[in-house]
Amino acid sequence: DAMVIQNPRYQVTQFGKPVTLSCSQTLNHNVMYWYQQKSSQAPKLLFHYYDKDFNNEADTPDNFQSRRPNTSFCFLDIRSPGLGDAAMYLCATSTLTVNEQFFGPGTRLTVL
Amino acid sequence: AQTVTQSQPEMSVQEAETVTLSCTYDTSESNYYLFWYKQPPSRQMILVIRQEAYKQQNATENRFSVNFQKAAKSFSLKISDSQLGDTAMYFCAFMKYNNNDMRFGAGTRLTVKP
Repeated sequence: DAMVIQNPRYQVTQFGKPVTLSCSQTLNHNVMYWYQQKSSQAPKLLFHYYDKDFNNEADTPDNFQSRRPNTSFCFLDIRSPGLGDAAMYLCATSTLTVNEQFFGPGTRLTVL
Repeated sequence: AQTVTQSQPEMSVQEAETVTLSCTYDTSESNYYLFWYKQPPSRQMILVIRQEAYKQQNATENRFSVNFQKAAKSFSLKISDSQLGDTAMYFCAFMKYNNNDMRFGAGTRLTVKP
C-alpha cells in the first residue's frame, strides 16, 4: 500500500545533541511537509517542500532545518534540541491537484 | 491570515448516538477547502471528510456529514451512530484554493462511551 513512513517512531535525545528524523513516501507526491505537534495541540507547520523548493514558515526557529535529497525522502534536523522541542513530529505529503494531505504516524521526540 | 476555531476542547457521546463537533473559521478568500481530520490515540491522522467552498451541497461520507454555512463561516461535523472506534482527536482544517498551506484548529477530543 502507498503510504507515508516515519522513522523512528520514538526518539530520545539529550539536550543540545543533534537529532535527525526521517520521512519517506511511496505516493510519489511532490509536496512534503513537516509539522510539530505538542501535547493536545494542533499541528504547527514548520516548513514544506514543493519538489526541491524549500518553504520555511516565518516563525520556525533556525534550530530546525530540513533536507529533501529526492522525491521520496525528507529529513528534519534539529541542531540543538531544547526541552521545548519535545513533541510529536508529523510528516505529510500532497500534490497540488489532490487537495488533501496524507500523514505519517509521527515521531515522538523526547529531550532529556 | 486564516484562523480556525474549535470551541469544544472535549466532548463525549454514548455509543450509537449522534454528536456534532463545531468549527468556525475566518478568511477573506472565496475559494478554499475545509477538512475534518481524525487522530486516534497513538495512531496517524486520517482524513474524515472534505468540503470545497464553491460547492453548496454538504459533503457526506457514510456516518459522517458536515453542515457547511459559508456566510457564517461555520463547518460542523456530525457523526451518526457513534462507534467506539470514533474515539479520537478531531481537527478542523482550512486550506486556500491552489495553496497547500493547511491551518488546523486546536482540536476536539471525542470520547465514545459504551
